[in-house]
Amino acid sequence: IAGITQAPTSQILAAGRRMTLRCTQDMRHNAMYWYRQDLGLGLRLIHYSNTAGTTGKGEVPDGYSVSRANTDDFPLTLASAVPSQTSVYFCASSDSSGGDTGELFFGEGSRLTVL
Amino acid sequence: GQNIDQPTEMTATEGAIVQINCTYQTSGFNGLFWYQQHAGEAPTFLSYNVLDGLEEKGRFSSFLSRSKGYSYLLLKELQMKDSASYLCAVADSNYQLIWGAGTKLIIKP
Repeated sequence: IAGITQAPTSQILAAGRRMTLRCTQDMRHNAMYWYRQDLGLGLRLIHYSNTAGTTGKGEVPDGYSVSRANTDDFPLTLASAVPSQTSVYFCASSDSSGGDTGELFFGEGSRLTVL
Repeated sequence: GQNIDQPTEMTATEGAIVQINCTYQTSGFNGLFWYQQHAGEAPTFLSYNVLDGLEEKGRFSSFLSRSKGYSYLLLKELQMKDSASYLCAVADSNYQLIWGAGTKLIIKP
């Protein structure tokens, strides 16, 4: 049972480089999310998608973009990485159906360091 | 603004009981979640409260008072494996989750 798979697990990146974090789920969940987690702060929502073909901005979307071409995949792209984007990134999914917040299932996280 | 407050760190003894509090101020309320996160791992779901009262699930219980903007997570018969961070999150009027910074629970033998 895979659940949610994120790649890479860890990455060191030079500032200014482009980076895509991959996220794939096999639970056929409608909703998917990208969060960042920084020490001393709660999880912060970057972008979300309620269903395939739609995306929305979260609390901290600047510098990030997402796409949802199909149900399973939800990649997060940093167009030009900056050191403040150093963080642990979690992808999550839920079986929510608009107007509801279901239990979130998280991937194992991607630790990104921007130098 | 929206805010979730929980203690940064707590220490308890193996076999004892610990209560982790969470207070919240959000624009609307559509439920409160507790998640457990072991160091270096992903958060995992523990409980969900949308009505006032106590929800019990094995050694873990979660309480909610909507009028007070308050919840607690109660862990009984503590085990060393319960050492983890416990995250409180509230779904606001748009069903977006607002997360607390988490409470790191240290269990001592």
